[in-house]
Amino acid sequence: GENVEQHPSTLSVQEGDSAVIKCTYSDSASNYFPWYKQELGKGPQLIIDIRSNVGEKKDQRIAVTLNKTAKHFSLHITETQPEDSAVYFCAASFSGNTPLVFGKGTRLSVIA
Amino acid sequence: ETGVTQTPRHLVMGMTNKKSLKCEQHLGHNAMYWYKQSAKKPLELMFVYNFKEQTENNSVPSRFSPECPNSSHLFLHLHTLQPEDSALYLCASSSPLAGANVLTFGAGSRLTVL
Repeated sequence: GENVEQHPSTLSVQEGDSAVIKCTYSDSASNYFPWYKQELGKGPQLIIDIRSNVGEKKDQRIAVTLNKTAKHFSLHITETQPEDSAVYFCAASFSGNTPLVFGKGTRLSVIA
Repeated sequence: ETGVTQTPRHLVMGMTNKKSLKCEQHLGHNAMYWYKQSAKKPLELMFVYNFKEQTENNSVPSRFSPECPNSSHLFLHLHTLQPEDSALYLCASSSPLAGANVLTFGAGSRLTVL
């Protein structure tokens, strides 16, 4: 079955700097890769996703890149702000028919 | 507010108690999920219901018993739990229109088993 590894487990950055979180997956059949953000006291919320037919997707300050050959994908947050502080989870699945497999999460702290 | 409501938000129970967690969504989604979130572990899928039918049971111990009376409501009945079952239990829903794997999560029910 699919296995998703996520690094780092914790990340601290200065406000305004960029943050990068990386994930690798094991099943080459996986073709859907979402990122979720979980703030304190809340459930995870989808912030961006990418499908295997594209290599990069951007939404304002966040972007995701996908390298299918290497089986890894990354979340990039630019110009970080204190409200970006949260736990971020990557996930992978094949199409829409198999359950998402999540990484262990990265706790991002943005220091003002 | 995501549209997925979980109650109670916090629950403390003894190992011999019987309690239930409730999840409700009015997003028109047809699939509902229970996930377990423990510290330093990936989110663990427990159960999946599509159109009220259970389609996934991820080797969950029988002390957890799900119930899905309709597409808007999902319950997790708990009995004779163990301390290691203490965790955040998350409910999620999805719709085939948005993609079966685009999940909307509730805020979770924090369970402590004494």
